[in-house]
Amino acid sequence: AQSVTQPDIHITVSEGASLELRCNYSYGATPYLFWYVQSPGQGLQLLLKYFSGDTLVQGIKGFEAEFKRSQSSFNLRKPSVHWSDAAEYFCAVGGSSNTGKLIFGQGTTLQVKP
Amino acid sequence: NAGVTQTPKFRILKIGQSMTLQCTQDMNHNYMYWYRQDPGMGLKLIYYSVGAGITDKGEVPNGYNVSRSTTEDFPLRLELAAPSQTSVYFCASSYSRLAGEQETQYFGPGTRLLVL
Repeated sequence: AQSVTQPDIHITVSEGASLELRCNYSYGATPYLFWYVQSPGQGLQLLLKYFSGDTLVQGIKGFEAEFKRSQSSFNLRKPSVHWSDAAEYFCAVGGSSNTGKLIFGQGTTLQVKP
Repeated sequence: NAGVTQTPKFRILKIGQSMTLQCTQDMNHNYMYWYRQDPGMGLKLIYYSVGAGITDKGEVPNGYNVSRSTTEDFPLRLELAAPSQTSVYFCASSYSRLAGEQETQYFGPGTRLLVL
């Protein structure tokens, strides 16, 4: 069955420190992978996506993610975290169906210490 | 473009009452989705639609109904509200030109529903 796992429910980092949020997926075919961010009381905003090609993808707000097929992972990274990055982050996987459905992970809450 | 809009932003219902959550998109997207978000559970798909007149169940459809009479609108109906339906509801839309093409979903701001 298709699934997405975000192993870390809550992460705290200091402002200026580097960040890595983990995402592991289970999908039988070529996956389409997404990272979304949700600020408190807001809807979800796309950070970046991977469909094919270069396995290192750049997104908005200085985020990047690397697709590793051998590890079934799509981890999100940022070299230097800002206080405004405090939010909840969701990894999602979709595929070559005719429905466009996504499966979301349970989310990782990022807290940034001053 | 307003994108995806949802109304109301917040609602309190009594057990057994019914209501409709409205969702409208102005991007001419063919696909639309309803999710619910519960703490620590991520987003669960309730219903989705691949075009006007076509709807299908997602992962958690029980207690809900949808319709898609136009491309723009995708209302979600709760017939007999239950406390288990207390949640935050998100509508999303995407555009796919080809079957099998996975495109970005754009989300509305959400509707917070409390059933007492």
